[in-house]
Amino acid sequence: GAGVSQSPSNKVTEKGKDVELRCDPISGHTALYWYRQRLGQGLEFLIYFQGNSAPDKSGLPSDRFSAERTGESVSTLTIQRTQQEDSAVYLCASSLVGANTGELFFGEGSRLTVL
Amino acid sequence: GENVEQHPSTLSVQEGDSAVIKCTYSDSASNYFPWYKQELGKGPQLIIDIRSNVGEKKDQRIAVTLNKTAKHFSLHITETQPEDSAVYFCAARRAQKLVFGQGTRLTINP
Repeated sequence: GAGVSQSPSNKVTEKGKDVELRCDPISGHTALYWYRQRLGQGLEFLIYFQGNSAPDKSGLPSDRFSAERTGESVSTLTIQRTQQEDSAVYLCASSLVGANTGELFFGEGSRLTVL
Repeated sequence: GENVEQHPSTLSVQEGDSAVIKCTYSDSASNYFPWYKQELGKGPQLIIDIRSNVGEKKDQRIAVTLNKTAKHFSLHITETQPEDSAVYFCAARRAQKLVFGQGTRLTINP
């Protein structure tokens, strides 16, 4: 497809389990972002990739959260030992170039529910 | 780091009236200010943006103004229509990091 693709679209897990969320950016987009959106809230910055490197990890909430990107394409956000407060929609976005250009293209998100 | 405040959190207007959403930012080095619209179950989509060397930008029924001195910017929607109902987010960028406001839920009443 032409847009940003995220999977799974919905994930229900038990507290303490690990989860992996995947993002396929638009082909050729070098910048990739992860945001978290809690119910009724704004978008909380998690991490940004330029190519395969992550110059800004400042938004990761704790060491239970990690992300990687390979081949300047797919990215995976991993949450270990999930907690109920991790429940949210995790949004991925890509951009043609990270700095000083405009538009971020968002996927539809992965809704995570931790029971 | 950058902090973006957005208000109001909810806004209800009659169809055909205008809607205004306001944001303030903290980091004077921020130089790019986009607005995104999010419909239910979808990811946000860019509707208009403005750079720090411009004071105002208009695209049909949508306009954005920027006051760098006061560090605030606003979204104006004129002649509102039912399809304008959505959540709107402002954002401010410094370098590669885009920081969003908390969002405004806009409802257009027929």
